Amino acid sequence: LAKTTQPISMDSYEGQEVNITCSHNNIATNDYITWYQQFPSQGPRFIIQGYKTKVTNEVASLFIPADRKSSTLSLPRVSLSDTAVYYCLVGDMTNTGRRALTFGSGTRLQVQP
Amino acid sequence: DGGITQSPKYLFRKEGQNVTLSCEQNLNHDAMYWYRQDPGQGLRLIYYSQIVNDFQKGDIAEGYSVSREKKESFPLTVTSAQKNPTAFYLCASRGGAFQYFGAGTRLSVL
Repeated sequence: LAKTTQPISMDSYEGQEVNITCSHNNIATNDYITWYQQFPSQGPRFIIQGYKTKVTNEVASLFIPADRKSSTLSLPRVSLSDTAVYYCLVGDMTNTGRRALTFGSGTRLQVQP
Repeated sequence: DGGITQSPKYLFRKEGQNVTLSCEQNLNHDAMYWYRQDPGQGLRLIYYSQIVNDFQKGDIAEGYSVSREKKESFPLTVTSAQKNPTAFYLCASRGGAFQYFGAGTRLSVL
């Protein structure tokens, strides 16, 4: 299982850009990088997924360097409603078994007014 | 609308009692999963099923049991052997590259 390391917590202010970095040194060739967001007492929600370079959607951007040993989730202009826990997952997305399913402790983002 | 439905939202267990948490999906996904989340912690895998009539233990299966008789349903039973069942339980299904999660069931012990 590809282990991931993220900061335990981060603080920001409304309107700022937030970058959360995840380390995954033993990522495998078939592994994708996926980020989820979780609010208290709710199930995690998919944010973004990528394999290499940069991926952008209406919510966030994901930057992946050439060696793929880390990735950075970028949230532009955060608001109070972005306060949540963010999980980075690395796994073979073609495999529905156990290997793709490891959640770490996540990064707790607190956005202040 | 499509998605994953977990019920009940809140559940209380008496000592020595088995309780069953329901998880239903109408996404036509083969793979389904159960996780446990303790306060301030990440998700830990209890059981998963990649296809009907087949399921595998995850990292913390002791004290839990599951069945997968239908594609849409993956119920989790918390048995009396699980001595610390108080937690938030999440069910998920997998379609392609993404996992979709239910809203969770919060289980407490009376």
